[in-house]
Amino acid sequence: GNSVTQMEGPVTLSEEAFLTINCTYTATGYPSLFWYVQYPGEGLQLLLKATKADDKGSNKGFEATYRKETTSFHLEKGSVQVSDSAVYFCALSIPGAGSYQLTFGKGTKLSVIP
Amino acid sequence: GAGVSQSPRYKVAKRGQDVALRCDPISGHVSLFWYQQALGQGPEFLTYFQNEAQLDKSGLPSDRFFAERPEGSVSTLKIQRTQQEDSAVYLCASSLEGGLYGDTQYFGPGTRLTVL
Repeated sequence: GNSVTQMEGPVTLSEEAFLTINCTYTATGYPSLFWYVQYPGEGLQLLLKATKADDKGSNKGFEATYRKETTSFHLEKGSVQVSDSAVYFCALSIPGAGSYQLTFGKGTKLSVIP
Repeated sequence: GAGVSQSPRYKVAKRGQDVALRCDPISGHVSLFWYQQALGQGPEFLTYFQNEAQLDKSGLPSDRFFAERPEGSVSTLKIQRTQQEDSAVYLCASSLEGGLYGDTQYFGPGTRLTVL
């Protein structure tokens, strides 16, 4: 089956620190990969996505590169801000595989302190 | 335009009661998904509609769970004879097409169900 494993949190960083949240996956087909973010009190929002190997998704200073050889999609940001404090979810879907459901990791809570 | 809306935002039910959760997807979106998110976990797939057709209900945990989307727009997730293990946040998402090539799913704020 399909599964996503992401690093356990919580992660606490000082403002302007470098962020990496690891994500690896197993999939029965050729997945599309996503990072969703959930800010406190808000719903899930798409942060970035990549649909094929070596694609780099980017948004709001965050980046992730689709690595087929290591089945990974690690999230990075060079300088975090307090406003980045949220829960981050890595997810995959298999286009063309019926229901296109998202399979999520358990989430990583990030807290950024001034 | 308006995003995905869900109602109620919070629901408290006594064990054994039936509940109905509503989802209004983004206008014109073909696909609609329901997910269940337990505390501290990622969302888990429940069911999927393409227009009014329920094409996948493999994630529904028991026959107490039932979902419908009769006119291809608003959807209702019904849980009969609620149990404590049904306590979770129920998320609805919609996407423009059928998820081809990583079609983005847009999520609503969720309904937090607490079963006492």
